[in-house]
Amino acid sequence: DIQMTQSPSSLSASVGDRVTITCRASQSINNYLNWYQQKPGKAPNLLIYVASTLQSGVPSRFSGSGSGTDFALTISSLQPEDFATYYCQQSYRAPLTFGGGTKVEIK
Amino acid sequence: QVQLQQSGPGLVKPSQTLSLTCAISGDSVSSNSAAWNWIRQSPSRGLEWLGRTYYRSRWSSDYAVSVKSRITINPDTSKNQFSLQLNSVTPDDTAVYYCARDHCSGGSCHWIFDYWGQGTLVTVSS
Repeated sequence: DIQMTQSPSSLSASVGDRVTITCRASQSINNYLNWYQQKPGKAPNLLIYVASTLQSGVPSRFSGSGSGTDFALTISSLQPEDFATYYCQQSYRAPLTFGGGTKVEIK
Repeated sequence: QVQLQQSGPGLVKPSQTLSLTCAISGDSVSSNSAAWNWIRQSPSRGLEWLGRTYYRSRWSSDYAVSVKSRITINPDTSKNQFSLQLNSVTPDDTAVYYCARDHCSGGSCHWIFDYWGQGTLVTVSS
């Protein structure tokens, strides 16, 4: 199975900060990498797919980059509604696998 | 707008069968451009894909190796929904269970989950 490792596991940031979360795959997954946001008690919400394509309705302050094994999710200016947990997920090879999550907390 | 509405019991006894249903609105379980998935989340396992069903001239299902001997995912075209059955549950199956749509294109599905159900916490306990 392809292992997905996110870092950091948590971070504290302030409104307006630029935040970057990284995700590393245990082998090359080309660009088959998706990002989700999850708020407490809610289902994950798709933000970005195939590494850099913004899902419809997602604010443009979210962006994704990377290919191969190393990927990043960047929030250009953190907003109050962005405090949540973020997950990466590879869709390159079965079984699909998720990262362990990065919790973004208020500083 | 696609909506997925989950239903089913929140408490299951060990060795019994976990059964959940996901009702679809705004799309069809028989769609040739979707696959219908079950995913669970627990502190110990994180997010774990369990399986899917989809229609491409005929019905097919795929399952995760970890649960393959115990799981069945079935469509119900009359009610436009799909179901999860997980047999012989143990406390390790305690998790929040989600249904989710994988929107497929060009004849292929890419495990990109664009719509999710609200989640059901299922506790396995006597």
